[in-house]
Amino acid sequence: DAGITQSPRHKVTETGTPVTLRCHQTENHRYMYWYRQDPGHGLRLIHYSYGVKDTDKGEVSDGYSVSRSKTEDFLLTLESATSSQTSVYFCAISDPMRGVSTEAFFGQGTRLTVV
Amino acid sequence: AQSVAQPEDQVNVAEGNPLTVKCTYSVSGNPYLFWYVQYPNRGLQFLLKYITGDNLVKGSYGFEAEFNKSQTSFHLKKPSALVSDSALYFCAVSPMDSSYKLIFGSGTRLLVRP
Repeated sequence: DAGITQSPRHKVTETGTPVTLRCHQTENHRYMYWYRQDPGHGLRLIHYSYGVKDTDKGEVSDGYSVSRSKTEDFLLTLESATSSQTSVYFCAISDPMRGVSTEAFFGQGTRLTVV
Repeated sequence: AQSVAQPEDQVNVAEGNPLTVKCTYSVSGNPYLFWYVQYPNRGLQFLLKYITGDNLVKGSYGFEAEFNKSQTSFHLKKPSALVSDSALYFCAVSPMDSSYKLIFGSGTRLLVRP
């Protein structure tokens, strides 16, 4: 398995509170992604990073921010959690620029419940 | 808009029979195509990919997929299903823009009965 660790694995939080999810990789991959998984929608991209301090928005970025201060860490922050952000969050990594593999590798997921 | 369609929410098949999980896509250019599998309470595991070349690609656990450019399809197949193949399968497309992101279908649950 690719070296990707997500923390926490489970979290319950109250509406209006800030929440930060962490993704840590040991593969030195350039690209990191945050997706959310919801029934009937598959996975949808929230934000991604293509290098330290280089990030961009995905399809469902409203209400989320990210930061990447080190190659190995990619943080996802919900500034003020809402019930619609109850979901399973997946971090993924890839490094297509290496030319060896183009597929992404996924973490185990974080189940977030906003009550 | 770019999209991936998996028209079947669930596919049921008897063990030992062949299985097909369908996927079609609407993405411009020559995207890369992927299949991932998800077991309960787990992350997604890579199964196979199509980049270029032979339209039939082989992947992990005996799975294969057939790329059809004219029909913009990338169906997942296996000649003989196992009960242990029961899982959630996702088709994904990378438009190979500068983000190298994945666009996912909604997923198909495969149920293989003994």
